[in-house]
Amino acid sequence: AQSVAQPEDQVNVAEGNPLTVKCTYSVSGNPYLFWYVQYPNRGLQFLLKYITGDNLVKGSYGFEAEFNKSQTSFHLKKPSALVSDSALYFCAVRDGNNRLAFGKGNQVVVIP
Amino acid sequence: ETGVTQTPRHLVMGMTNKKSLKCEQHLGHNAMYWYKQSAKKPLELMFVYNFKEQTENNSVPSRFSPECPNSSHLFLHLHTLQPEDSALYLCASSQGQAANYGYTFGSGTRLTVV
Repeated sequence: AQSVAQPEDQVNVAEGNPLTVKCTYSVSGNPYLFWYVQYPNRGLQFLLKYITGDNLVKGSYGFEAEFNKSQTSFHLKKPSALVSDSALYFCAVRDGNNRLAFGKGNQVVVIP
Repeated sequence: ETGVTQTPRHLVMGMTNKKSLKCEQHLGHNAMYWYKQSAKKPLELMFVYNFKEQTENNSVPSRFSPECPNSSHLFLHLHTLQPEDSALYLCASSQGQAANYGYTFGSGTRLTVV
C-alpha cells in the first residue's frame, strides 16, 4: 500500500534557524507527493506538491521540498523559520485508489 | 477562507443524540471527502463522493451516515456515537477525483462525545 511516514512527533527550532520536517514514502510506481500545513483551529492548507520534473519544489510561505528517489524521501525545508510557522505539517502521497493518504503530522514549534 | 465551509465549528453530543455536520463548497469542485483527524494519528479517509455519488466508504461504522444532495453540499449524520468518536472532522473538496488536483479543506468540526 502507498504510504508516508513522518518519524518525528515534534520539531523544535529557534527563530531564524533552518527548518526541516522529514517525510519518507513507500509507493509502487511514480509517487505524487504533497505537503500541507494546519494552523490552530484551521483546516489543512496546501503548501506544495511533486508530480514530476525538478526534484526541488518551491511552495507557499517560503517553503520548499526536495524529492529524493534513492532515499524515498520528500523533506520539507525553510531556510529561516518564523514564529508564525509554528503549526502541524502533513506529508501525503497518492494512494492506489488515486486518493491522498496522509501521515500523522509533525508539530513544528518555532522558539522566539 | 478556503472556500470550503463547515458548520458547526464545535459540537458536544451525548451518546444517544442525533446530530449532523454540514460542509459547503463554492469552488465548483466535483469531489468531496470526509476525513477524521485524531491526535498523533494519520488522517483517516471516511467517505468520498464524486458528482454526488458515493465512490468510497472506508469501513466506517454505520453510526456515521453521509449524504451528498448535490456537488456543493455534504453532510455527515451522527447517531449513537461512542466517546472514541471524539475528533476533528474535516471536509475537503477537489476539482476532480484524481489526487494530483490536491484537496481544499474546511476548518473542521471539533466533535466531543460525552
